[in-house]
Amino acid sequence: AQTVTQSQPEMSVQEAETVTLSCTYDTSENNYYLFWYKQPPSRQMILVIRQEAYKQQNATENRFSVNFQKAAKSFSLKISDSQLGDTAMYFCAFMRLPGNTPLVFGKGTRLSVIA
Amino acid sequence: DVKVTQSSRYLVKRTGEKVFLECVQDMDHENMFWYRQDPGLGLRLIYFSYDVKMKEKGDIPEGYSVSREKKERFSLILESASTNQTSMYLCASSLQGIYGYTFGSGTRLTVV
Repeated sequence: AQTVTQSQPEMSVQEAETVTLSCTYDTSENNYYLFWYKQPPSRQMILVIRQEAYKQQNATENRFSVNFQKAAKSFSLKISDSQLGDTAMYFCAFMRLPGNTPLVFGKGTRLSVIA
Repeated sequence: DVKVTQSSRYLVKRTGEKVFLECVQDMDHENMFWYRQDPGLGLRLIYFSYDVKMKEKGDIPEGYSVSREKKERFSLILESASTNQTSMYLCASSLQGIYGYTFGSGTRLTVV
């Protein structure tokens, strides 16, 4: 079974600074997808970014980017120019193919952005 | 935008009651999921469904059942609520999971 580990239960960052959230996973699959979800205090889970395992290039979405190290089974999220609205729980998730298999989530990292 | 609606934001029920948590999506998604979220444990999969009248057990199905009579609706049933089922319940749907899920806003259930 796949497992996803987020080793940082809580983190904080100053506004406008950069922060990196770590995620490692365990799988014997070669093709899969990885995701980062954000859950603000409103509780609405929002997809931040996704990465296809067979793509070498790291995904980027505006201020959010990932560092995907397939051999190391590592998938970290970097948030640049942190904003107060980035304060949220962040969950790393894994999906093996076929694409309708359920997401496996990590335990989450609570990020606080401080003014 | 796809919308996933969970009928209740907060719910308080008594031990032993039968509880229904409703989830409706409006974009004809095939796949629907129920997760439970607890502090320090992340999201854990209870049940999922790939089609009408179809269901699959997730990682923690004990004490729960589901119903999917129509494509857009996926109900989670607590047959006899217990205090250890006090939690946040999240419903999600997807057309193709590789593009991610759309989540509802969650139901915070308290069993007293």
